Amino acid sequence: SAVISQKPSRDICQRGTSLTIQCQVDSQVTMMFWYRQQPGQSLTLIATANQGSEATYESGFVIDKFPISRPNLTFSTLTVSNMSPEDSSIYLCSVDYRSLGTDTQYFGPGTRLTVL
Amino acid sequence: AQKVTQAQTEISVVEKEDVTLDCVYETRDTTYYLFWYKQPPSGELVFLIRRNSFDEQNEISGRYSWNFQKSTSSFNFTITASQVVDSAVYFCALRWSNYQLIWGAGTKLIIKP
Repeated sequence: SAVISQKPSRDICQRGTSLTIQCQVDSQVTMMFWYRQQPGQSLTLIATANQGSEATYESGFVIDKFPISRPNLTFSTLTVSNMSPEDSSIYLCSVDYRSLGTDTQYFGPGTRLTVL
Repeated sequence: AQKVTQAQTEISVVEKEDVTLDCVYETRDTTYYLFWYKQPPSGELVFLIRRNSFDEQNEISGRYSWNFQKSTSSFNFTITASQVVDSAVYFCALRWSNYQLIWGAGTKLIIKP
């Protein structure tokens, strides 16, 4: 499996500011994903980030609010811009890792964001 | 449409009891994959198992076992002799030809000592 780290693990931010979350993988992967998990809820996919191309955003998420970078095959960042209390969530990075001919998504430890 | 239903919002049992978490899925694809993940209070999602649609064999891993039945579109998860460390939210997910995962709402499992 892939080992994924995220920074920061948690943060408390003021309304109107921005936070950049980093995701590092220990092996080269093609597909990386960013999810949001609001308190007590299931996971919602924000976007898919492939190296060398623009991120693909899901309905309800826009690049201006959640810009994503994917500079190489082991690293990605997600920025949460102009934050409001509604952005308080866990943000999770995941990667597709191929094992036994099938892809499985493995997740980072998550970033707990609280917006005041 | 693709859908995953985890009807049990929360389950509470006493340690050492057996517990089954239900997962029912909907898909029109003949090739698909089913997953279970565990999310302990720390927040990290831990991959537990992947099952292919063409492999209906049940799986046992220690105290964990999974029952996959295509006839009822179910992929249930049983913990035998539950322990406090099993307390977590458990998610069932579906993946088909698309790379995306469709997630269930999750079942919060509370194991009381």
